[in-house]
Order: sequence, then C-alpha cells, then structure tokens
Amino acid sequence: NAGVTQTPKFRVLKTGQSMTLLCAQDMNHEYMYWYRQDPGMGLRLIHYSVGEGTTAKGEVPDGYNVSRLKKQNFLLGLESAAPSQTSVYFCASSYASGTATSYEQYFGPGTRLTVT
Amino acid sequence: AQSVAQPEDQVNVAEGNPLTVKCTYSVSGNPYLFWYVQYPNRGLQFLLKYITGDNLVKGSYGFEAEFNKSQTSFHLKKPSALVSDSALYFCAVRALAGRRALTFGSGTRLQVQP
Repeated sequence: NAGVTQTPKFRVLKTGQSMTLLCAQDMNHEYMYWYRQDPGMGLRLIHYSVGEGTTAKGEVPDGYNVSRLKKQNFLLGLESAAPSQTSVYFCASSYASGTATSYEQYFGPGTRLTVT
Repeated sequence: AQSVAQPEDQVNVAEGNPLTVKCTYSVSGNPYLFWYVQYPNRGLQFLLKYITGDNLVKGSYGFEAEFNKSQTSFHLKKPSALVSDSALYFCAVRALAGRRALTFGSGTRLQVQP
C-alpha cells in the first residue's frame, strides 16, 4: 500500500513550457485534491475532484488544468508555465462518506517546481 | 468563507517543557478541525482532528488539542516537547457542509532546543 504518490519529485521549466504532474492513490478514495505551498501562505487549493470524470476549481485555479480519467489518478497540467507558478505542489486524497475516518486527507510527498 | 489563523510564525521551546501552537478559525456552522505536521522535504502528516464530542482530542506522538467553541480556537499542545517535534505545523478547517477541501493556516514552525 503506497498511499499517495506523485511524479516527478523535482522539475525545472522555462517560462512558456508545459508539463503534467501525476498523482496516484491506491486507497480507493473518491476525493482528490491539488494544493500549492508557498512560504508563509500555507497550502492553497488549486483544483479538486469528487469522483472519476469530475473536477472543480479551488481557490487559485488560474493557469492550471486537471483531469480525473481514472479514480486512482489525478493529473495537474500547466499549459504555459510562469515564474509565479514556482512552488511545491501537493496532491491529497480522502474518502467521501461521512464516517469518523472520513475527511482526513492523505498527502503525497510533493513536487518541487521551479519556473525560470 | 472559512479561514484559519496561526498567529505565530515560530514557537521556540526547550526540550521537556510543555508546548502550545495556537490556531483560531472562522467558519459557518460547526467545523471539522485538523492539525498536520510537515517535516523537511516531506508531505503533510495527519496528527489529530476534532469532529464532535470531547473538546480535548488526543492524537499521534503525544500531541493533543483543545477545541474551544466560544473562542473559536483549536490550540495544539504537548506536555513535554522533544527535539524530534521540531517541524512545521498546520491547522486546518473544513465546514460540515459544502466542498470537502481543507482551508489551511499559514503554518507555525516549532523549534525545540535541546
């Protein structure tokens, strides 16, 4: 049971390049999330998904797109990278049902992205 | 809109002394409250949560947190700090209704000196 995994771990992009970050979870969680972490700002929600084939915008969605074609995977895309997107990106997942164990989010190890 | 405030960027405490990391929240209705810890170059690890019931909740690694509805606070505590507790701590809130995502505070760096 690997939990939540993210690839790649590190990436350097030039302004205008594109890339896709992959998140995978093996816990059969319905909900998945993408956050970015910037110094002094905590984690901010980019996009999230409540199930396969569905996505929704979070607090800071501009410049990002997502897809959830399979329940276990959640992809985050940057179509044209900008220096303001330099950050650490975390994926998380959680159950959907309202039990005592739900709503806890399980986080991946993060992807450190630098845009020059 | 919901929000979380962690008023201290850093908390310094000597090993063996009690520690408190402060958190206040704002949310419509009753909240779900969480504490997470982040060690260097790692993801966030769940410490504890308050959903309902007793105001004092116990979590991993000897940490506990006290929910105070009147003060809208959820402070993290530990009776005796360890050097290995040094890390970045995040408080988070989720409203009972609506989307499931968490709103995080800005984080508090805990430094435990030997």
